Amino acid sequence: DGGITQSPKYLFRKEGQNVTLSCEQNLNHDAMYWYRQDPGQGLRLIYYSQIVNDFQKGDIAEGYSVSREKKESFPLTVTSAQKNPTAFYLCASSITPSGSSSEQYFGPGTRLTVT
Amino acid sequence: AQSVTQLGSHVSVSEGALVLLRCNYSSSVPPYLFWYVQYPNQGLQLLLKYTSAATLVKGINGFEAEFKKSETSFHLTKPSAHMSDAAEYFCAVSESQGNLIFGKGTKLSVKP
Repeated sequence: DGGITQSPKYLFRKEGQNVTLSCEQNLNHDAMYWYRQDPGQGLRLIYYSQIVNDFQKGDIAEGYSVSREKKESFPLTVTSAQKNPTAFYLCASSITPSGSSSEQYFGPGTRLTVT
Repeated sequence: AQSVTQLGSHVSVSEGALVLLRCNYSSSVPPYLFWYVQYPNQGLQLLLKYTSAATLVKGINGFEAEFKKSETSFHLTKPSAHMSDAAEYFCAVSESQGNLIFGKGTKLSVKP
């Protein structure tokens, strides 16, 4: 089955610790995305990558970092600099990135709680 | 800059009643528009998308949406609500780079 996997489903961390969220896709998609979802806020773009070894900041990149060493993988690190890290994080991918009508496919999400 | 406004953060309908979820967009170029559905603690699933081929777009689970350029709207409808339709619905517009701009979502409740 093709799709996007995110692990773990739930993640708990202490304040001040960095944490890495996993995102893997076997759809052979070029583009991958990370979103943050807070109640009543919709989805906000953190980072996106249109090709391996390249990525761009989204609207709320501060306190986050990513890498794209492999086409299938796009891990997100939530650093201690992120002031309000508790949220639901969604990873997505699309077959082509630029100027396209391609829809994005979403993973099941990771709920991060920082105390 | 492109933007999406979803009118009504919560909508409640009775089972069997018409579902109407409103979405208005702002775009300087012909847009690509999407509706997604999200069930609790899950990712988003595509319901339908508009790519200029036809103004009335049919999606999964009996949903459809009509693109109205004059009203800059892309409202989502379903003739008869089912209990399983209870979820949160997001409208999105595609930017020139392919990124999606999402509305803040509308939670649909279905009363028996």
